Amino acid sequence: SQTIHQWPATLVQPVGSPLSLECTVEGTSNPNLYWYRQAAGRGLQLLFYSVGIGQISSEVPQNLSASRPQDRQFILSSKKLLLSDSGFYLCARQGARGDSPLHFGNGTRLTVT
Amino acid sequence: DAKTTQPTSMDCAEGRAANLPCNHSTISGNEYVYWYRQIHSQGPQYIIHGLKNNETNEMASLIITEDRKSSTLILPHATLRDTAVYYCIVANNAGGTSYGKLTFGQGTILTVHP
Repeated sequence: SQTIHQWPATLVQPVGSPLSLECTVEGTSNPNLYWYRQAAGRGLQLLFYSVGIGQISSEVPQNLSASRPQDRQFILSSKKLLLSDSGFYLCARQGARGDSPLHFGNGTRLTVT
Repeated sequence: DAKTTQPTSMDCAEGRAANLPCNHSTISGNEYVYWYRQIHSQGPQYIIHGLKNNETNEMASLIITEDRKSSTLILPHATLRDTAVYYCIVANNAGGTSYGKLTFGQGTILTVHP
C-alpha cells in the first residue's frame, strides 16, 4: 500500500494562531516526503521535502516549518498563521527508485480568517 | 526543470479517445515526462511517466516523439470521471538537488461530455 493519510481535511484558523498538519504514509520504508501548497486558482508550490528522519529542506522562505520525527511521519507547522497561509496543503511521497513518481494525499484545505 | 506548454482546455465525447498534447522543447536528456491529473478539491493523481519509449498502463498511454520535444497522453475510452485538469511535467527525479521538484503549470482542463 502507498496510502497517504492527511488530517484534518478542512481547517479554519484565526490569524496569529498556531498550526500543525500531520501526514503519515504506509508502504516502503525511508520514502522521500514532500509538502506542497496550492493557493486558490494557482499551481502547486513545493514547500519542504525530506529524504530521511530529521532531514528537512525548505524550498521557499516563509512562515512555515516542517519536521520528520519518524520515518513515515511528516508534520507541517506554524507558530503564528498569516492570512496568506490559506491554501490547499498536500503531502506527497516518492518511492526509492530514481524516477519514481510522487503520490499525493487528499490534502488539507486551510482557511485563515 | 524544463517548461511545458499545454492547451488551456479540451473537450472529448464520452467513450472516445482523449489525446492531450504537451510540448517540452527544452527537455534535457535525463528528464522524464510525467503526467498527473487533479479533480476538483482532490490531490493530484499520478497517471504515467516515461523517458523516451512509449508507455502504457491501466490508465493511459504515453507517446513521446523521437526527439522528445513533445508527448501525447492518450485516455483510450474517456468517461465522465476523467473530467479533470491534466498536468504534463518534465523533471529529473533521480535525486541530488532535484528531489520531487515537480513544477505544476496551469495544465489542460479536459471536459468529457455525454
